[in-house]
Amino acid sequence: DTGVSQDPRHKITKRGQNVTFRCDPISEHNRLYWYRQTLGQGPEFLTYFQNEAQLEKSRLLSDRFSAERPKGSFSTLEIQRTEQGDSAMYLCASHYWGRTDTQYFGPGTRLTVL
Amino acid sequence: AQKITQTQPGMFVQEKEAVTLDCTYDTSDQSYGLFWYKQPSSGEMIFLIYQGSYDEQNATEGRYSLNFQKARKSANLVISASQLGDSAMYFCAMIVTNAGKSTFGDGTTLTVKP
Repeated sequence: DTGVSQDPRHKITKRGQNVTFRCDPISEHNRLYWYRQTLGQGPEFLTYFQNEAQLEKSRLLSDRFSAERPKGSFSTLEIQRTEQGDSAMYLCASHYWGRTDTQYFGPGTRLTVL
Repeated sequence: AQKITQTQPGMFVQEKEAVTLDCTYDTSDQSYGLFWYKQPSSGEMIFLIYQGSYDEQNATEGRYSLNFQKARKSANLVISASQLGDSAMYFCAMIVTNAGKSTFGDGTTLTVKP
């Protein structure tokens, strides 16, 4: 399977703990996106990378959130000092910018903050 | 700023009938793409169909077609011959070609009745 993968699929943590999620995009895709989705809502854009450069961050991405894509391949999203309001599905998507606009999504990481 | 509006929170359709899911969008950019995604209860976002703003023909993918009316800024999804497996949440989304992020609507929950 050469689709977008995310790890872990589920994460339960206590308030105040740090969590890190990983996304592996489709191998030739140069753009990688992170979204957050809460129940009953559409995905909300968080940030995106072109290769290893982070090109845009949403104002939703507070200073507790950081994302990296160190070698232009996989990406990590870290949330420090988690809050109950961070409970959501975190989706990763990728595409080959310049060839297609279509983003392909991973299965998501469901975060529950107790 | 871009905005996607899906005015139908929930829709019902009888199996084997066609259904139209509405989507209107707002952007001042001339070059953009419009997408529809399906999200079943499992949570994965499944790409269905894409329409570029300069495409003159309406996009079709199997039982899915996109009714693109540029002057009205609408991009409705038509599902023909509905199947029980079509029951899911459907999201309309837009990406401006020279920008990075996608904007999603709040979705329409489709229920196919046997």
